Amino acid sequence: EAAVTQSPRNKVAVTGGKVTLSCNQTNNHNNMYWYRQDTGHGLRLIHYSYGAGSTEKGDIPDGYKASRPSQENFSLILELATPSQTSVYFCASGGPGQCNTEVFFGKGTRLTVV
Amino acid sequence: GDSVTQTEGLVTVTEGLPVKLNCTYQTTYLTIAFFWYVQYLNEAPQVLLKSSTDNKRTEHQGFHATLHKSSSSFHLQKSSAQLSDSALYYCALSDRTEGADRLTFGKGTQLIIQP
Repeated sequence: EAAVTQSPRNKVAVTGGKVTLSCNQTNNHNNMYWYRQDTGHGLRLIHYSYGAGSTEKGDIPDGYKASRPSQENFSLILELATPSQTSVYFCASGGPGQCNTEVFFGKGTRLTVV
Repeated sequence: GDSVTQTEGLVTVTEGLPVKLNCTYQTTYLTIAFFWYVQYLNEAPQVLLKSSTDNKRTEHQGFHATLHKSSSSFHLQKSSAQLSDSALYYCALSDRTEGADRLTFGKGTQLIIQP
């Protein structure tokens, strides 16, 4: 079973502060993703990556940056956190093959911005 | 871009009765696959079904779905609901964009099975 580990699992941040959410996968997957989950909106794609050094914008990238320094690690960065970014964030990994390859999710990070 | 539309909100079904969750999509890409993901309370989403073949039924854990490209649909069905089926269900579409498989989800359908 693919292993995707997120840290921290819970985070309280202050408005205007910098937040970094980390994700590590041990299955040598090429593709990694960051989603946020909100009631009424489902899972929305923030950023994704197809390999070390690459980052691509998803559907809601504003206010977020991403970094993929290695095959295993993919970070989501909130430079200036706002209360509207309070959410549950999921990292996922999958690939490298055809697009019918499923992705595997981490357990999520609950972020509260006060 | 891609979009996925699901039965919205909450669906309540009595145990033993059939379940159907609707999913339709819009996409401009040809290389696509479809998934149903299930998320149990306080857990991560996990794949339930996947398909990329038109008009072929796929089954898992008593659920089934058939991709119909002619109607842009991938509905999820089960003939007899169980209490353990209560969960949040997501329909998703995958395509190859900028070298990566990009996975787009619908808004999710909360399924509650009542005794």
